[in-house]
Amino acid sequence: AQKVTQAQTEISVVEKEDVTLDCVYETRDTTYYLFWYKQPPSGELVFLIRRNSFDEQNEISGRYSWNFQKSTSSFNFTITASQVVDSAVYFCASWGFQKLVFGTGTRLLVSP
Amino acid sequence: GAGVSQSPRYKVAKRGQDVALRCDPISGHVSLFWYQQALGQGPEFLTYFQNEAQLDKSGLPSDRFFAERPEGSVSTLKIQRTQKEDSAVYLCASSFGTTNQPQHFGDGTRLSIL
Repeated sequence: AQKVTQAQTEISVVEKEDVTLDCVYETRDTTYYLFWYKQPPSGELVFLIRRNSFDEQNEISGRYSWNFQKSTSSFNFTITASQVVDSAVYFCASWGFQKLVFGTGTRLLVSP
Repeated sequence: GAGVSQSPRYKVAKRGQDVALRCDPISGHVSLFWYQQALGQGPEFLTYFQNEAQLDKSGLPSDRFFAERPEGSVSTLKIQRTQKEDSAVYLCASSFGTTNQPQHFGDGTRLSIL
């Protein structure tokens, strides 16, 4: 069975600080996909990134970057120079056996 | 519209009533998913359709939950004889192709059972 652990329940930072959200996954699949979603207060889950298990290259998209390390089964997400608009709940998820399994989420509060 | 549309946005029902939640996926999306999200938790998988075929319903919590997608587009999640523990946000998502593609979510229906 798959499992995704987001140990950080809530993180509070001040605007312009960098912040890293941790994600640890468990799977028996050799082929799997990992995702990050953002859930703002409005409730809609917004897709951020998908990585497959064969591609361990780190990815950067603007202020967002992701670090995928199979050796530690981690897929961490870093926001550089955080902004108030980054305040949301962030979910890491793993796909396998035709299902998407989500972690419990990390609530990020960015204050001005 | 361009995104996944769910209705109603909010639903309040008395325990024992039946409810129906609607999902209109992105046009052309083959795969459709339903999730249940309890307060403070991540979404949990309920069921999956590929076109009109329900390929996985292993996440439905009881036989009171039923989902359909008769023409391969709009889907309805029905809950019969609602219980208080059914109170949650019900999310619908769709994706273009196979299930490992990014899923696009609607705003959800917040269901409250009194």
